[in-house]
Amino acid sequence: ETGVTQTPRHLVMGMTNKKSLKCEQHLGHNAMYWYKQSAKKPLELMFVYNFKEQTENNSVPSRFSPECPNSSHLFLHLHTLQPEDSALYLCASSQDRDRPLNTEAFFGQGTRLTVV
Amino acid sequence: DQQVKQNSPSLSVQEGRISILNCDYTNSMFDYFLWYKKYPAEGPTFLISISSIKDKNEDGRFTVFLNKSAKHLSLHIVPSQPGDSAVYFCAASYTGTASKLTFGTGTRLQVTL
Repeated sequence: ETGVTQTPRHLVMGMTNKKSLKCEQHLGHNAMYWYKQSAKKPLELMFVYNFKEQTENNSVPSRFSPECPNSSHLFLHLHTLQPEDSALYLCASSQDRDRPLNTEAFFGQGTRLTVV
Repeated sequence: DQQVKQNSPSLSVQEGRISILNCDYTNSMFDYFLWYKKYPAEGPTFLISISSIKDKNEDGRFTVFLNKSAKHLSLHIVPSQPGDSAVYFCAASYTGTASKLTFGTGTRLQVTL
């Protein structure tokens, strides 16, 4: 148990569906992240939120829409996805500190998404 | 262009022996490196990290070595145990970017009896 909870654990959706992934962290962290892991590829950073403000969007298509209503919750809204979007989506959180200190990210268990 | 590379997709080691997992990086701005361990159906869990001001960091059975001139780091596990069987990811970031991590593709370690 890492203190980061993701729901659902598995999701199958059609290309015309709209669904949302949810992430909640109980660690009091101020930064949250969405990562994507496709087969045989490294984890790719998608979005970064720091103090609820989106600070990074790594050229992610608009069919993925993040939402961060507060420092503890993060959503990823999905619509009109493609089969190649099937992957493991991982949420993470960290305590973002001033330089020069870096800290590790704590990951949730992920949502295994299949687009049919 | 992959900035963090783990060239060995898999490694098999006998219980009790040393496991050495390797990682190379290309971005000289990286100054903080981490190893994560991942079991099937779970998210990655943090294992050990090292800052670029050090060349070694040790935590129990796990030691990470950093060679900045070669842009190479390695994770040593000694002695290896069957419970260490997992996928190990190397990750890197640079100062001021918090946990915006760049990951390698992972190495699957199998510790055999």
